[in-house]
Amino acid sequence: AQTVTQSQPEMSVQEAETVTLSCTYDTSESDYYLFWYKQPPSRQMILVIRQEAYKQQNATENRFSVNFQKAAKSFSLKISDSQLGDAAMYFCAYYSGNNNDMRFGAGTRLTVKP
Amino acid sequence: AAGVIQSPRHLIKEKRETATLKCYPIPRHDTVYWYQQGPGQDPQFLISFYEKMQSDKGSIPDRFSAQQFSDYHSELNMSSLELGDSALYFCASSAGQSHYEQYFGPGTRLTVT
Repeated sequence: AQTVTQSQPEMSVQEAETVTLSCTYDTSESDYYLFWYKQPPSRQMILVIRQEAYKQQNATENRFSVNFQKAAKSFSLKISDSQLGDAAMYFCAYYSGNNNDMRFGAGTRLTVKP
Repeated sequence: AAGVIQSPRHLIKEKRETATLKCYPIPRHDTVYWYQQGPGQDPQFLISFYEKMQSDKGSIPDRFSAQQFSDYHSELNMSSLELGDSALYFCASSAGQSHYEQYFGPGTRLTVT
């Protein structure tokens, strides 16, 4: 079964600085998708960024970028120029079309200090 | 842009009662997913529907059932509620070939007393 591991329960970053959240996963499949979701205090699940496993190029979305290492099964999220509104719980997620369900990591709570 | 709609947003029930949660996917989305997120937990996949047929099943208790209707909205029916069912229930939807790109609703917070 696929598992997603986020080894950092909590992280903090100074406003305007850069922070990297870690995520590793375990799978025997070759075709899958990886995501980072943000869950602010409102509890809404917001898609931050996605990565198709067949793409070698790392995905970027404005201040958010990933470092996708397929061989190492690693998928970290880098947030540049951190803003107070980035404070939230961040979930790494794995999706495979074979199972048609999303598997989430335990989450990393990010605090942004002014 | 239209988002996934869930109703009600909050629900309080007593043990052994039943509850029905509703989900209205984004227009033209044909797939609906249900997730349960307990306090301090990550979301757990319950069940999904594609074109009104159940497509996958996760950790959904036998006391729960769900279906997707002809207008693609979905309902999660929960019976014999237990204290442990208190959670945030998310619905997500996706479209066509982009089944991996799931858009989440705001969630329904269910409290069982």
